[in-house]
Amino acid sequence: ETGVTQTPRHLVMGMTNKKSLKCEQHLGHNAMYWYKQSAKKPLELMFVYSLEERVENNSVPSRFSPECPNSSHLFLHLHTLQPEDSALYLCASSRTGDTEAFFGQGTRLTVV
Amino acid sequence: EDQVTQSPEALRLQEGESSSLNCSYTVSGLRGLFWYRQDPGKGPEFLFTLYSAGEEKEKERLKATLTKKESFLHITAPKPEDSATYLCAVQADYNQGGKLIFGQGTELSVKP
Repeated sequence: ETGVTQTPRHLVMGMTNKKSLKCEQHLGHNAMYWYKQSAKKPLELMFVYSLEERVENNSVPSRFSPECPNSSHLFLHLHTLQPEDSALYLCASSRTGDTEAFFGQGTRLTVV
Repeated sequence: EDQVTQSPEALRLQEGESSSLNCSYTVSGLRGLFWYRQDPGKGPEFLFTLYSAGEEKEKERLKATLTKKESFLHITAPKPEDSATYLCAVQADYNQGGKLIFGQGTELSVKP
């Protein structure tokens, strides 16, 4: 069982919908991340939270909105997405100041 | 610009046929280099961290090595269950929050 749990595993949404992705880590880590993985492209960092504060935002469109209420939970709120936003969205966590990141199983998002 | 390039993009081996995967990197000060394994439809699974040139790590049939410009993942006598995409990532020492820069991956297929 992975220490990082993502829900849902699969999501199909229309361009006018609003949905949220959830991530929970059970590893006692203080940093959490959202990555996007599109076909045939490297993983792209979207957001980093360290000690519940956003540290980095890699110029992600405002239709993606992260939320980190505590060190164990991370959300990605989605609204008015485009078909090109279809991808595997991965959550990861690590100890602040440490380097290994551990990933969840991802949410496969399809925008129709 | 920090960059990671992996080669080959795809590698097909017979069971027992040893080989190596390459990860070339350009980064302004390396904090760490990471290898992950990713199975289809799943999140990346952490394998190794390497911190300095000359360092080596081993796990079962896998051995990772690091120089100042590249890393190799050596696979000795692979088995079909080693089939997966292998991802390389680097973290720069100026980064806050643990950002990883990924390569595009090498898709390994091991036939019985």
